[in-house]
Amino acid sequence: AQKVTQAQTEISVVEKEDVTLDCVYETRDTTYYLFWYKQPPSGELVFLIRRNSFDEQNEISGRYSWNFQKSTSSFNFTITASQVVDSAVYFCALRTIYNQGGKLIFGQGTELSVKP
Amino acid sequence: GAVVSQHPSRVICKSGTSVKIECRSLDFQATTMFWYRQFPKQSLMLMATSNEGSKATYEQGVEKDKFLINHASLTLSTLTVTSAHPEDSSFYICSASRRGGGLKQETQYFGPGTRLLVL
Repeated sequence: AQKVTQAQTEISVVEKEDVTLDCVYETRDTTYYLFWYKQPPSGELVFLIRRNSFDEQNEISGRYSWNFQKSTSSFNFTITASQVVDSAVYFCALRTIYNQGGKLIFGQGTELSVKP
Repeated sequence: GAVVSQHPSRVICKSGTSVKIECRSLDFQATTMFWYRQFPKQSLMLMATSNEGSKATYEQGVEKDKFLINHASLTLSTLTVTSAHPEDSSFYICSASRRGGGLKQETQYFGPGTRLLVL
């Protein structure tokens, strides 16, 4: 079975705080891809990052960083010095190469609210 | 870039009418396009997967005759909600993955979504 769990439904922080969004996945496949998408109030999903299962290096992009750990099947996302514009729903997703048609398995999403 | 557009962004229609939503990949050719539905405060629910020139593959529980999908070209897919009812009111989002193989094909790029309200 393939599954993505985002246990945090809602997170509220004050601007400039650091915040980590958790993502735990399940798959029996050895080759897979993990994604993070941002969905602001406007509704469009914005692609943030893709990671393949053979690359466990952490990645940093500006205030965003991602921690991929196969040992715990986690792909957590940290925003450093959060800003009000970071307020959005964030989705973690999984795709395995054996998925028929390349379907994405989405987590339930974490709604992040950054207050000024 | 990888830009996907959707039209219309918002539509209000009367019960019983049909509504067509277009999804276009603007700067790349899409091997596959996907149609999702999203209810408020919920995750995305995949409705169907479409490949250019072939019939769409629908997810379990999605009515094929209700949600008609046409993928006429490598840059355009349409979703038609036939005989719409108030329960079809939702946020519909399409996505597209690039043609050409490699890692770029593994990423789905999403359109801005269409809010459908059926009265």
